[in-house]
Amino acid sequence: LAKTTQPISMDSYEGQEVNITCSHNNIATNDYITWYQQFPSQGPRFIIQGYKTKVTNEVASLFIPADRKSSTLSLPRVSLSDTAVYYCLVGDGGATNKLIFGTGTLLAVQP
Amino acid sequence: DVKVTQSSRYLVKRTGEKVFLECVQDMDHENMFWYRQDPGLGLRLIYFSYDVKMKEKGDIPEGYSVSREKKERFSLILESASTNQTSMYLCASSFVTQGYGYTFGSGTRLTVV
Repeated sequence: LAKTTQPISMDSYEGQEVNITCSHNNIATNDYITWYQQFPSQGPRFIIQGYKTKVTNEVASLFIPADRKSSTLSLPRVSLSDTAVYYCLVGDGGATNKLIFGTGTLLAVQP
Repeated sequence: DVKVTQSSRYLVKRTGEKVFLECVQDMDHENMFWYRQDPGLGLRLIYFSYDVKMKEKGDIPEGYSVSREKKERFSLILESASTNQTSMYLCASSFVTQGYGYTFGSGTRLTVV
């Protein structure tokens, strides 16, 4: 199972763009890259998923280089409510390749 | 709105009790999962199921069992609760189709005294 490495914590200010990078050197051909957000005392919430190049939705963008050994979650113009733990995972989520959560990145947004 | 519902938000049980944590999803997902989350350790997979009556051990199955008699319901059982099982328990579900994300419940905070 592919493991991921991401920073333990990051600080930002309201209105800034935040980029969280995740490395996954052993990503397999069938693996997707998925990011989750978790607020205290809540379950993780799916943010975005991609396989290659760039994916954008109403919440975030995900940039994946050609070799797929890393990915970057980009949060535009963060607000205080974006303070949360962000998890990067790789896998196809199926029975033979379930998603493994690491300890995530604690993003602290300050006013 | 699609949902994964965990039966209890908070539970307090005594050491040695048999504890049932229930999880129900309304999305017709094939896969269901039980995680526990502890400070500094992230989410750790206890058991998962990819079909009715099917189950697979995750990374930390000791002291737990599961039951999946119907597609929408996945139960986690603590056969004899111990204080080291005090934790936040999270249920999730997903489609079996490759690449789909998980939907999580809000969690059950279990305290064993």
